[in-house]
Amino acid sequence: QVQLVESGGGLVKPGGSLRLSCAASGFTFSDYYMGWIRQAPGKGLEWVSYISGSGGTIYYADSLKGRFTISRDNAKNSLHLQMNSLRAEDTALYYCARDSGVVTAFDSWGQGTLVTVSS
Amino acid sequence: QSALTQADSVSGSPGQSITISCTGTSSDIGSYNLVSWYQQHPGKAPKLLISEGSRRPSGVSSRFSGSKSGNTASLTISGLQAEDEADYYCCAYSSSSTFVFGTGTKVTVL
Repeated sequence: QVQLVESGGGLVKPGGSLRLSCAASGFTFSDYYMGWIRQAPGKGLEWVSYISGSGGTIYYADSLKGRFTISRDNAKNSLHLQMNSLRAEDTALYYCARDSGVVTAFDSWGQGTLVTVSS
Repeated sequence: QSALTQADSVSGSPGQSITISCTGTSSDIGSYNLVSWYQQHPGKAPKLLISEGSRRPSGVSSRFSGSKSGNTASLTISGLQAEDEADYYCCAYSSSSTFVFGTGTKVTVL
């Protein structure tokens, strides 16, 4: 069955960096668009970024202003999110999710990894 | 990109039907038939209920249905059950090649 397992979250100071990873299994990873969605404590879902199966198509939420970089390693079935210049408002649970088609819907989600930005 | 607008809360009695609305713009909901709906129980990851406006993935109860009219999408839950108590989010693909989620609706079963 499809499994997505995020890792890499933790406590980081404002201005710091963090790299999140998502290990995928149970499906042909390179065939699928993948995305990152985050959820601040007690708040709603916020889309962060997505990447095509080949890695050739990438989009980000406007609010990120170039601070985050999504990437994937199809040989290792892994998805990554490099987060730089972190701010308190980036504190959230970060979910990795699989797109069921091409920018269609997120049909499988991981359990999330918590990022806390605080001094 | 502003979040899609949803009511903060909706409630109903067991067996009743409720509808959750999601209002966007001509740049997102109104542009494509790419609206999805998610259910999230406390402490759990979201679960896909509806994709492409009205398509129900395998395994999702037929009590959940989706529709769209203009810039507004709707999720209807029929035969409301206690287990349906959760947060519900809509999501739409936009003309700027980004996704936008709704503000979320808390469903309470009375």
